[in-house]
Amino acid sequence: RKEVEQDPGPFNVPEGATVAFNCTYSNSASQSFFWYRQDCRKEPKLLMSVYSSGNEDGRFTAQLNRASQYISLLIRDSKLSDSATYLCVVTGSGGYQKVTFGTGTKLQVIP
Amino acid sequence: GAGVSQSPSNKVTEKGKDVELRCDPISGHTALYWYRQSLGQGLEFLIYFQGNSAPDKSGLPSDRFSAERTGGSVSTLTIQRTQQEDSAVYLCASSLPGLAGTIFGPGTRLTVL
Repeated sequence: RKEVEQDPGPFNVPEGATVAFNCTYSNSASQSFFWYRQDCRKEPKLLMSVYSSGNEDGRFTAQLNRASQYISLLIRDSKLSDSATYLCVVTGSGGYQKVTFGTGTKLQVIP
Repeated sequence: GAGVSQSPSNKVTEKGKDVELRCDPISGHTALYWYRQSLGQGLEFLIYFQGNSAPDKSGLPSDRFSAERTGGSVSTLTIQRTQQEDSAVYLCASSLPGLAGTIFGPGTRLTVL
């Protein structure tokens, strides 16, 4: 089983739609969780951290479910500019704290 | 500089040649990662350096690949006897352990003819 698994998509959604991505992780001791965004032919960049209590940043909401070992990202009122690949990121525990990236979910917002 | 830098930005080489890719992480970042990304594919983990610990080399695809990190700063990824399937973008990233903000460099686009 991969350490971090995501549905690769692509998710093709119309402008204004709400779309949700899920990501599962295998290490129950994982400590920190993030979503990154990667635009075509660009490097990944941090989108938002994910907290147990859930957190929101504008149209984006991230949730963490430790019991089921998954994190989610909800995008409301999708914009064309949201088209990108969204990467789930999990950080290990202890002093090593290696960061592991999922392979990403591709989102295409259609006019 | 303020970000992670990589050089060269583009590298075209002939099959069988050796190449060296360089990464300058953000000053003070103790963790450094190398990833590979083929066109349209996800990130493929290659190697992870953390401070003075032994590097995690579990992602290196073959013994043609090696990496060093000198003085806890600059890292060099070396690919010996390059093959066409090595063609990809090689991304370097650095961070402080476990904290948000693993910062990526712009990558080196390697093309093996």
